[in-house]
Formats: sequence, structure tokens, C-alpha cells
Amino acid sequence: DGGITQSPKYLFRKEGQNVTLSCEQNLNHDAMYWYRQDPGQGLRLIYYSQIVNDFQKGDIAEGYSVSREKKESFPLTVTSAQKNPTAFYLCASSVLAGRNEQYFGPGTRLTVT
Amino acid sequence: GENVEQHPSTLSVQEGDSAVIKCTYSDSASNYFPWYKQELGKRPQLIIDIRSNVGEKKDQRIAVTLNKTAKHFSLHITETQPEDSAVYFCAASMREYGNKLVFGAGTILRVKS
Repeated sequence: DGGITQSPKYLFRKEGQNVTLSCEQNLNHDAMYWYRQDPGQGLRLIYYSQIVNDFQKGDIAEGYSVSREKKESFPLTVTSAQKNPTAFYLCASSVLAGRNEQYFGPGTRLTVT
Repeated sequence: GENVEQHPSTLSVQEGDSAVIKCTYSDSASNYFPWYKQELGKRPQLIIDIRSNVGEKKDQRIAVTLNKTAKHFSLHITETQPEDSAVYFCAASMREYGNKLVFGAGTILRVKS
């Protein structure tokens, strides 16, 4: 299961606190992505990055922030401005040339009470 | 932007029967269509994909067909087995947008033995 890792697997926070989810890949992929998954819904794109020090908002970026200081790492911060932060968060990576396959990490289940 | 619709939302089949899941997309510029399988609490995993220059692709019991004119693509699973039970997601992307995938809402497939 190497390649792309996320930590922790489960995370509990109190409302009003910021929390950072980790995503690391050793696949030498250029692009990295963050998705949110809610029960009964598909994966919704939060942010994506094609290159170090650059990233773009996805469909549901409000209340989230990211950084891409290293090719291998793409941490996601869930801020207190996110109204419904409890969800399953998935990180993915892919090459930009050739096959478009995205490889997913194991996910982090965040619960905010 | 791209919009992907997926049907049905749930599908129950008897073991050994075939299962078909259909997706439609809105943007004719989309050129890559993967299918992911996600078991409960696990990461999505790519099971098959197709590019816009191909009409059909098979891999053992799984096949995907693409109709570019009608902008729809389908997943076909033959001789279903209990281990095929999972949530299946279709997606579409355009290379020009850094491999950003737009996902359908998912289909829960239950194979009854």
C-alpha cells in the first residue's frame, strides 16, 4: 500500500479549531488532489496542484486551504470557516503526461463535534 | 464546467448475472473516462478506463463502452460475484485541465448469492 499515504486515519476535533490533514506521495507524481466524500455522494474536488508552489481551487474550496512546498507533500487545512467539516477526505496524485490515472491514499475520516 | 450523471444509484443483481452502470457527461472536450471501485471504508481503486479515441475496452469480466456522439459511457460486469459488491464511480476529465476528474455520484452494487 505504499505510494501515497495519509495520516491520521481518524481525526477528532472540536468545532472552531483548524486541523491539518497530511498527504505524502513517493510516486514522483506532479499533480496532487484533495477530495471530500460524504455518504451517498461522489467525490468532490477541494483543491488540486499541478506543480510545486502552485494550486487551484476545486468545486468546494471554501473553508479549506492547502500548500505545495514540496513535490511529495500536499497538506490540507480544514479551517473553522468550513461549515460542515465532518467527512471522509481523500488525497490523490497523478502524472500529468501519458495516462491520467489518479492514485488515491487511504483517506482520513474527520469528525468535528 | 463538466457535469457527470450516473445511474442507477443502487443496483442489486443475483450472483452470475450481469450488471450495467451508465454515465453521461456534458463537455464534449472530455477525453478520459475512468471507473473506480470503492469498498466500504477503503480508497477508490481504478478498475478500467477508456480514452475518447476508443469505443470499447475489456478486461476479463469488466468492459467499458463509450459513445462520444451521445456523450455517455457504461460499465459492464459479467458473471457477477459477491466480491463485486461495492460502490462504483465513473469520472471524466480533460487533459488540458491537469487531469482534473469530475466524478459521478456513485452506484452501490449488491450481488446476492
